[in-house]
Amino acid sequence: KQEVTQIPAALSVPEGENLVLNCSFTDSAIYNLQWFRQDPGKGLTSLLLIQSSQREQTSGRLNASLDKSSGRSTLYIAASQPGDSATYLCAVPNFGNEKLTFGTGTRLTIIP
Amino acid sequence: DAGVIQSPRHEVTEMGQEVTLRCKPISGHNSLFWYRQTMMRGLELLIYFNNNVPIDDSGMPEDRFSAKMPNASFSTLKIQPSEPRDSAVYFCASSLGQGHTGELFFGEGSRLTVL
Repeated sequence: KQEVTQIPAALSVPEGENLVLNCSFTDSAIYNLQWFRQDPGKGLTSLLLIQSSQREQTSGRLNASLDKSSGRSTLYIAASQPGDSATYLCAVPNFGNEKLTFGTGTRLTIIP
Repeated sequence: DAGVIQSPRHEVTEMGQEVTLRCKPISGHNSLFWYRQTMMRGLELLIYFNNNVPIDDSGMPEDRFSAKMPNASFSTLKIQPSEPRDSAVYFCASSLGQGHTGELFFGEGSRLTVL
C-alpha cells in the first residue's frame, strides 16, 4: 500500500526567502506526481504535474523535482510571498490501481 | 474555462433529509471524481467515473450514498437519509485520461453540515 509523507507538517519563513517542501512515497511504481495547494475553505489548486519519466517541472517561481528511485519529490518556492501561505499537498497515483494517494500536507506560512 | 463547478457551496440540513450535490466538470475531461474531506480522515475518494461510467465506487461509505453521471457535463452525489457524521466538505474533480493518470482539477467544494 502506497504511503505518502510530507515533512515538515508546518513551516513558517520570512517573506523573500527561498524554501523547499518535501514529499516521500513508499512505492516507486507511479504514473506521475502532482503538487497542489489548498487555501482555507477552498478546493485544491493544481500547481505542477511531473510525469514518471520526468525529473522536474517549473512554473513561475515554483520548481518541482522527482526522484523515483529514492521515492522523493521536492517543491522549491523562490522568493516567497505572503500569498504563498497555504497547505501544500503532494499526491501520487500508482500503476495498477489508479487511485490517488495524498500526502499528509505541509502548512506554509510566509511572514511579511 | 470556468473550471470545475460545484453547487451548492454550503448546505445545512437536518438529519434524515436528502442532500444532492452537483458538479459540472471541465469541458472535454472524461474522468470525474467525488472526494470527501474531513479533519479526521483527510481526503477520501468516494467514487470515480470514466466516460460517464462508474469505475470504482469502493469508497462510497454505505448505501445511503449514491452518485450518477447522466452525461459528460453533469454529475450528482446524493445522500439519503443524511446523518451528522456525513458533515464534511465534498469535492468534485475532473481530469483528462483514465483514472488519476492526468492532471486533476478540483472544484471549490460543497460544505455540508447535517444537524
